[in-house]
Amino acid sequence: SAVISQKPSRDICQRGTSLTIQCQVDSQVTMMFWYRQQPGQSLTLIATANQGSEATYESGFVIDKFPISRPNLTFSTLTVSNMSPEDSSIYLCSVEDFDSQETQYFGPGTRLLVL
Amino acid sequence: GESVGLHLPTLSVQEGDNSIINCAYSNSASDYFIWYKQESGKGPQFIIDIRSNMDKRQGQRVTVLLNKTVKHLSLQIAATQPGDSAVYFCAERNSGGSNYKLTFGKGTLLTVNP
Repeated sequence: SAVISQKPSRDICQRGTSLTIQCQVDSQVTMMFWYRQQPGQSLTLIATANQGSEATYESGFVIDKFPISRPNLTFSTLTVSNMSPEDSSIYLCSVEDFDSQETQYFGPGTRLLVL
Repeated sequence: GESVGLHLPTLSVQEGDNSIINCAYSNSASDYFIWYKQESGKGPQFIIDIRSNMDKRQGQRVTVLLNKTVKHLSLQIAATQPGDSAVYFCAERNSGGSNYKLTFGKGTLLTVNP
């Protein structure tokens, strides 16, 4: 499986500011995904990031709030804009397995606390 | 979207016992299922998957059972160890069309008592 890293691993931010989270994969992948996991809850897909095209956002998530970049096949960023305490969550990136094109593997997550 | 609750279902077992974690999925068109393990402070870790043309699949100490009739998935862990303590999530996917989305269940917190 692919090795996935995320930066930062955690951060504490002030409301109204923005944070950009990076996701790096050790191999080329077609599909990358960004999820949010609120405290004690399950994972919710924010958007799907494909290289060379606009990200596809799920219901309830918009590009102005969560802009995504996907400049190449091994890297993506998610920005959480104009943060409020409700944005305090774990943000996870995942990649689709190149061979099976079904299984998703996850990074370690970025733990965000907004004060 | 997936409904979530404030409290995770919990399962507490003694070390060495077998554990069974259950999941009811929502979409009858789902044809691919994954179990993930998430330890505290970490991202979800792939455990085992199963496609809808199977009803059982075995891995190392783990078995996944799929009952499509009642849309039920279970994960069996044999000889549970303290290192198995984590939250376990099932996820479903409909591979038809262009939707690559995985939909996650609520999760179950497994606690293994030594």
